[in-house]
Amino acid sequence: SQQGEEDPQALSIQEGENATMNCSYKTSINNLQWYRQNSGRGLVHLILIRSNEREKHSGRLRVTLDTSKKSSSLLITASRAADTASYFCATDGNYGGSQGNLIFGKGTKLSVKP
Amino acid sequence: GAGVSQSPSNKVTEKGKDVELRCDPISGHTALYWYRQSLGQGLEFLIYFQGNSAPDKSGLPSDRFSAERTGGSVSTLTIQRTQQEDSAVYLCASSLVAVTYNEQFFGPGTRLTVL
Repeated sequence: SQQGEEDPQALSIQEGENATMNCSYKTSINNLQWYRQNSGRGLVHLILIRSNEREKHSGRLRVTLDTSKKSSSLLITASRAADTASYFCATDGNYGGSQGNLIFGKGTKLSVKP
Repeated sequence: GAGVSQSPSNKVTEKGKDVELRCDPISGHTALYWYRQSLGQGLEFLIYFQGNSAPDKSGLPSDRFSAERTGGSVSTLTIQRTQQEDSAVYLCASSLVAVTYNEQFFGPGTRLTVL
């Protein structure tokens, strides 16, 4: 079953603009991760935020987490054509961190036009 | 160092045939995961291994699906009597250990098409 739901399903922006993607989840979590997928193949880990963190930065990426609303957002600043990909949030579903299994949302398809 | 590798990259088979998909994790990673991704969808968890043990098989869609891992390294996902609904990209990932705060490293996937 799906835990995370990304919003929007698709996003099209111009190069240089910021892109914001949101993720909502259902159960309590220990941490939440964001992954990127190019061309429907392997995923690449972007960033992990723990349940006791509210915001985290990595380069042009900014992730926020609101556990009271069970939601997270991923902001990509100054987007580039190379950022075109699908972005997924993944949660642990509060297994106590011991199972390792991640539950992925359906993803947001981002298109950055040059 | 080498990443996660999967073979074959593409597999076309006829309905009713058996297929084997292989995953080579990153050396030293004790945890290995199998996911399935249907067209335009998110990832569906199938099974994970910690070492050679599979503590959680709950994601396997039916008893036609099985997986094994030997020597704490290579894993094989077997689908017996394939059906058209099995068509998907099968993704393998590995991590240092099976805890959710570990980053998972994904392979490129095997695209399975059942005719």
